[in-house]
Amino acid sequence: GAGVSQSPRYKVAKRGQDVALRCDPISGHVSLFWYQQALGQGPEFLTYFQNEAQLDKSGLPSDRFFAERPEGSVSTLKIQRTQQEDSAVYLCASLRGSEETQYFGPGTRLLVL
Amino acid sequence: KNQVEQSPQSLIILEGKNCTLQCNYTVSPFSNLRWYKQDTGRGPVSLTIMTFSENTKSNGRYTATLDADTKQSSLHITASQLSDSASYICVVSDYTGNTPLVFGKGTRLSVIA
Repeated sequence: GAGVSQSPRYKVAKRGQDVALRCDPISGHVSLFWYQQALGQGPEFLTYFQNEAQLDKSGLPSDRFFAERPEGSVSTLKIQRTQQEDSAVYLCASLRGSEETQYFGPGTRLLVL
Repeated sequence: KNQVEQSPQSLIILEGKNCTLQCNYTVSPFSNLRWYKQDTGRGPVSLTIMTFSENTKSNGRYTATLDADTKQSSLHITASQLSDSASYICVVSDYTGNTPLVFGKGTRLSVIA
């Protein structure tokens, strides 16, 4: 594909609802990152995969957040029992093994009512 | 705590004028510094990346400078265009690898006719 894609682009959820956000990285990119970006803020690191291995999940704000990349390509970020403070843009980025440039997707804008 | 501070928080300039955005960081040890441009509703796009040994790097009308001694970087935009209106985010890595990156909150630039 031409770039990193994410779906859905927009998601409105009722408080307490579970949501799943999808990221399709650039084909062949080994590393995949999830970030959370609040309005007017820079992205905050959530978690990082190298192939299917989740090497760093230190940024996940609570145990309601779960990410997986079972086959080393597509990744899903799941948020259980969403809260209003989860409202943000969730960005996915991928990177080929030896390159330093992360390529970002357009993000999923999540609004929890 | 590793931090990246950007200034100004927002900036409005006339089309055709030059501007300079600032980034100060406390990340240590330092690996590389990146500037990203983020259009509204889109993911960040890489403009430049500089390692410890590089003082300046250009990408078209964008020129980034780095002073690793004072831990300061700047992004200079020449002959601004309306399409330069975006958030500019400074990102610093403290590993030679990929994670974690420390993001600044960004400078919101508005170029007006």
